[in-house]
Amino acid sequence: AQSVTQLGSHVSVSEGALVLLRCNYSSSVPPYLFWYVQYPNQGLQLLLKYTTGATLVKGINGFEAEFKKSETSFHLTKPSAHMSDAAEYFCAVSEESGSQGNLIFGKGTKLSVKP
Amino acid sequence: DTGVSQNPRHKITKRGQNVTFRCDPISEHNRLYWYRQTLGQGPEFLTYFQNEAQLEKSRLLSDRFSAERPKGSFSTLEIQRTEQGDSAMYLCASSLLSGRYNEQFFGPGTRLTVL
Repeated sequence: AQSVTQLGSHVSVSEGALVLLRCNYSSSVPPYLFWYVQYPNQGLQLLLKYTTGATLVKGINGFEAEFKKSETSFHLTKPSAHMSDAAEYFCAVSEESGSQGNLIFGKGTKLSVKP
Repeated sequence: DTGVSQNPRHKITKRGQNVTFRCDPISEHNRLYWYRQTLGQGPEFLTYFQNEAQLEKSRLLSDRFSAERPKGSFSTLEIQRTEQGDSAMYLCASSLLSGRYNEQFFGPGTRLTVL
């Protein structure tokens, strides 16, 4: 069965510092991997996705993530945090669309950015 | 195209009452998903439709829950005899199944509080 583990339910960084949010997955088939962001009282917005091809994927708002099959990881990074990045971030995995394609989410990491 | 919309945004009800939520997907999207998100957790899959057919239900979807998608457009999620444990954010997502990958677009959610 697929699963996602996000290390650290809460991460705090200073404005301008590196952001690193960790995600490890388990999947018996080649996965599709996603990072979503959720602002308070809002739905989920897709930051970036890995489907096939290049293992370093770039997303919106300066975020990027690297798919490392050997480590079963898909960590999210941003070189320099902005106050507006404060939100909750969810990593998710999906099987290929031959199945129903529903997403399996991690428990989320809440990012705080200090001035 | 205004994205996925959900109504109501908030619902407060008393235990034992029935509630119904509505989701309007992005037009032409043939897949529609329902997820539930409780405090401190990531979204959990409930069920999904391809056009008007309900193809998969999670074991989280007890027999008090029913979902429909008449004519393959909007969808409703009804909870009968609500319990306090049903308090959660209910998220709807839609996607266009095309090729091997379908990106899900999420609505803002309906927050249910059962007193």
